[in-house]
Amino acid sequence: DARVTQTPRHKVTEMGQEVTMRCQPILGHNTVFWYRQTMMQGLELLAYFRNRAPLDDSGMPKDRFSAEMPDATLATLKIQPSEPRDSAVYFCASGLTGQGETQYFGPGTRLLVL
Amino acid sequence: DAKTTQPTSMDCAEGRAANLPCNHSTISGNEYVYWYRQIHSQGPQYIIHGLKNNETNEMASLIITEDRKSSTLILPHATLRDTAVYYCIVRPRIWGGTSYGKLTFGQGTILTVHP
Repeated sequence: DARVTQTPRHKVTEMGQEVTMRCQPILGHNTVFWYRQTMMQGLELLAYFRNRAPLDDSGMPKDRFSAEMPDATLATLKIQPSEPRDSAVYFCASGLTGQGETQYFGPGTRLLVL
Repeated sequence: DAKTTQPTSMDCAEGRAANLPCNHSTISGNEYVYWYRQIHSQGPQYIIHGLKNNETNEMASLIITEDRKSSTLILPHATLRDTAVYYCIVRPRIWGGTSYGKLTFGQGTILTVHP
């Protein structure tokens, strides 16, 4: 049963620290999406990649967030420096291009910045 | 992307069909209707999608009106494990461009299945 995996599942850190979240997309998928979920804002798209190339990161605060795909099996989302307002659940999703592409979500990384 | 309107919450008795409506009156001809759900503390889960024909899979059925301005997700025999937030989303069908692939989540419908 192919799944998207995310690590870590939980992270508690102090303000100012760097946070790195990792995502392993489903093997063979060529699109990766990063979402953030908070009670106030709901689910928001931060960035997405197709064939490892970033296509849209307009939802991401550029000054402190960065997203990369070093290879087809790994996507990373970094926050540096982290702030309390970054506390949220971060979801990664992957899919396969074509008409009617479906996104499959990972379990999320629950981040708390103190 | 077309905007969707869903009821904030719904209740359903276990074993009965749950019918979740969604209005998408501004949908265009090149947009799919997608349904996802999110069970508490989990990532969103794909349920079903369609363009203009009704669709059925092992999880649910999707009924899209002929004018495509609304749809209904049907869970034929709801169980307690179906309690979740259900999101109706419309998204572009056409490959390419920066808007392709985006899922814009609204507030969804909180479905509570009770014994």
